[in-house]
Amino acid sequence: AQTVTQSQPEMSVQEAETVTLSCTYDTSESDYYLFWYKQPPSRQMILVIRQEAYKQQNATENRFSVNFQKAAKSFSLKISDSQLGDAAMYFCAYRSGEYGNKLVFGAGTILRVKS
Amino acid sequence: EAQVTQNPRYLITVTGKKLTVTCSQNMNHEYMSWYRQDPGLGLRQIYYSMNVEVTDKGDVPEGYKVSRKEKRNFPLILESPSPNQTSLYFCASSLHSSSLSYEQYFGPGTRLTVT
Repeated sequence: AQTVTQSQPEMSVQEAETVTLSCTYDTSESDYYLFWYKQPPSRQMILVIRQEAYKQQNATENRFSVNFQKAAKSFSLKISDSQLGDAAMYFCAYRSGEYGNKLVFGAGTILRVKS
Repeated sequence: EAQVTQNPRYLITVTGKKLTVTCSQNMNHEYMSWYRQDPGLGLRQIYYSMNVEVTDKGDVPEGYKVSRKEKRNFPLILESPSPNQTSLYFCASSLHSSSLSYEQYFGPGTRLTVT
C-alpha cells in the first residue's frame, strides 16, 4: 500500500519570504500523480498544484512550485513571496495511475505566515 | 457552477442515533468518494463508488454505509454512530480513472460530533 509522509507538522514563514514544505511517499508503481492541497480555515480543499510522475519537469503555478525527485520519492512544495492568505493546512497526496481514483494523503503541515 | 454539495455542514448527535450525510455533484462524474479527516492522520478514504450501484470499501469503512442509486448522489450513512466517528467528513467526485481528467472536486466538509 502507498503511504505519504509529511514530516513537518508546523512551519512558519515571514511574509514575502520563501518556504518549502516536505513530502515523501512510498510506492512500487511507476505511473502515478502527486498533488498538493491547501485547506484554509474555511476547511475547503483547494488543489494547489499537481505533478504527473512521467513528467521530469517540475510543475509550477504562479508562486507555487514543486521539487519532484522520483528516485528519492520526494515531492516538496515551494511557496515564494509568501502572503498572509497562504496561511493554511497543506496536504500532500498520492494517486495511483492505474488503480482507481483514491487519494492517499499525508498528515498535513500547518503553515503560519507572519506579518 | 460545478460543485459538490454536502449537508449538513455541522451536526452534533448522540451515540446510536442513525444519521445520513448527503452528497450531491452536478458534474456528471462517475466516481464519488467519502473521506474522513482526523488530526495527525490526514484524510482517509471511507467508501467509494465507480458508478451507479457500484460501491466498495476504502481504508476505514467500519461503522459506515453508502449507497449510489443515482449518479449525482452518494449519501454516507452512520447507522449507530459512536464517539470515535467524531470527525470532519469530505465527499469528493471526479471522472472515472480511465479518463484524462483526474482532478477530484471536494465538497465543503461536514463537521460531525458524536457525544
